[in-house]
Amino acid sequence: GNSVTQMEGPVTLSEEAFLTINCTYTATGYPSLFWYVQYPGEGLQLLLKATKADDKGSNKGFEATYRKETTSFHLEKGSVQVSDSAVYFCALRSGAGSYQLTFGKGTKLSVIP
Amino acid sequence: SAVISQKPSRDICQRGTSLTIQCQVDSQVTMMFWYRQQPGQSLTLIATANQGSEATYESGFVIDKFPISRPNLTFSTLTVSNLSPEDSSIYLCSAGHTNSPLHFGNGTRLTVT
Repeated sequence: GNSVTQMEGPVTLSEEAFLTINCTYTATGYPSLFWYVQYPGEGLQLLLKATKADDKGSNKGFEATYRKETTSFHLEKGSVQVSDSAVYFCALRSGAGSYQLTFGKGTKLSVIP
Repeated sequence: SAVISQKPSRDICQRGTSLTIQCQVDSQVTMMFWYRQQPGQSLTLIATANQGSEATYESGFVIDKFPISRPNLTFSTLTVSNLSPEDSSIYLCSAGHTNSPLHFGNGTRLTVT
């Protein structure tokens, strides 16, 4: 079955530090990959996506590249801000006719000034 | 992208009662799903809400406990029945089209006393 493995948190960084949150997956077929962000007290917001191998999703300074050879979709940002403090979820949607999302466990990021 | 309104945003309920959560989408969507997020955990799919027919439940979730309605392409409800403290969670509605990312409501935070 499908599964997503995410780097365990929490992660604490100083403002302007480089961020990497690792995500690897197991899936049948050719899944689409997503990063969602959940700010305190809110629902999930789509951060970025990639639908095929070598695609790079990007938004708000965050990037992730779909690496089929390593089954990975690591999230990166060159310089984090306090406002990036949130929980980040990696997710996949199988391309085999199933449209629900399978989520990783989430990584809590805290950015301190 | 679809805008999803979920209500109530939070509720405190007594053991043995039920809570019905409403999910309204601002446009017609193909897919609607209900997820549960237990404290500090990731999201678990409860069921797919099918328009005009019975919902499709995931393993471990049953219709008697989590009845779902979806009378049209923009609206769904989830009822959590016979509440116990173990049902204290955030419940999230998500919606989208077949070939587009899923979007989420802000969630309903349920506390059972």
